Amino acid sequence: DAGVTQSPTHLIKTRGQQVTLRCSPKSGHDTVSWYQQALGQGPQFIFQYYEEEERQRGNFPDRFSGHQFPNYSSELNVNALLLGDSALYLCASSLGTVRETQYFGPGTRLLVL
Amino acid sequence: GNSVTQMEGPVTLSEEAFLTINCTYTATGYPSLFWYVQYPGEGLQLLLKATKADDKGSNKGFEATYRKETTSFHLEKGSVQVSDSAVYFCALSRDDYKLSFGAGTTVTVRA
Repeated sequence: DAGVTQSPTHLIKTRGQQVTLRCSPKSGHDTVSWYQQALGQGPQFIFQYYEEEERQRGNFPDRFSGHQFPNYSSELNVNALLLGDSALYLCASSLGTVRETQYFGPGTRLLVL
Repeated sequence: GNSVTQMEGPVTLSEEAFLTINCTYTATGYPSLFWYVQYPGEGLQLLLKATKADDKGSNKGFEATYRKETTSFHLEKGSVQVSDSAVYFCALSRDDYKLSFGAGTTVTVRA
């Protein structure tokens, strides 16, 4: 059984560009959450998707948007990239709520130049 | 708001030493508390959790007790191994949707 997978593993973009990151949840999981982890910091919650709807959102600007597909996979889109968007982006999946175990993917490392 | 403060690292220990990583939290009500571990080059893994006061979470020789009176959830292990070298994150969830993480503590165990 594959765990949470993310693609790509690494990405380099320039300021002002747009980026799309992808996540496939663990088999049987219906909830996907995205986190941003800056270097040397703990992950920060971006948003969570359930039943193809954004269920909750953290303190991130509208440049960060997402989508969940009928097969529960998810995308994170970031527009108008800033240098400060350079980070490790983590996807986590679970069945239902956070009180159930969340499984994290290995992340996508984004570098904005 | 909800937040977690954990012991700053890095922490360097010898094999078989005792490990404690302090974690305190600020939250209203009764949050669920978690410890996650991030091994080099890997994603976060849930190490243990506790969902109510006085609960003790345990896994792989690690333990943490949910102390509401001191708003703490300190992580302990009696005898560490080189394979325990990792970054450890304390986290809480006040609702059922998101985790709020501490900054992480890097632990290095020397043979």
